[in-house]
Amino acid sequence: DTGVSQDPRHKITKRGQNVTFRCDPISEHNRLYWYRQTLGQGPEFLTYFQNEAQLEKSRLLSDRFSAERPKGSFSTLEIQRTEQGDSAMYLCASSMTVSGNTIYFGEGSWLTVV
Amino acid sequence: AQSVAQPEDQVNVAEGNPLTVKCTYSVSGNPYLFWYVQYPNRGLQFLLKYITGDNLVKGSYGFEAEFNKSQTSFHLKKPSALVSDSALYFCAVRDGNNAGNMLTFGGGTRLMVKP
Repeated sequence: DTGVSQDPRHKITKRGQNVTFRCDPISEHNRLYWYRQTLGQGPEFLTYFQNEAQLEKSRLLSDRFSAERPKGSFSTLEIQRTEQGDSAMYLCASSMTVSGNTIYFGEGSWLTVV
Repeated sequence: AQSVAQPEDQVNVAEGNPLTVKCTYSVSGNPYLFWYVQYPNRGLQFLLKYITGDNLVKGSYGFEAEFNKSQTSFHLKKPSALVSDSALYFCAVRDGNNAGNMLTFGGGTRLMVKP
């Protein structure tokens, strides 16, 4: 069990550029989640997948954000036309589909938009 | 809708003393409660959870938490604090009746343990 892996850990980008983050969940976990955390705040839910199906999206997930999990394994989160307000840590997490299951988080991907 | 309140932004405690980090929650269905810890520039590490059963839950690193349904609380405790426990602690809740399994987090409490 290698845990949830995220890449890159840090990304600095200019406003208006597109960025993509990748998440590799724990291998036997079929649920995958994306959260966003800004400084001094708790994580906020963005979206989640069960296998390859995206089952829920937060209203925080604007049209500039898109997440995919094409084969039910790794996932990508793309932000188009980045804005300074997108600066945050993007956390990926995974779990099994069992009632009461624990959600395990990765180390996060820090995004700074300049 | 569900929510979590962590009323203290920061808790200061001397090493060796007991610590408590407070959490209250609101959820329409069956509460599943979690505590996570976050060290600087790191992700969240799972500490413990309450799903059902004994109201006192024991977790990692000597931490425990007590579920109190009447007070809708789930306070995190440790009998003897260590300097290395200094970190940011998050309480989270989800509705056990909600198949969506979405966790809602509190704003976090910074624990400072002084030598």
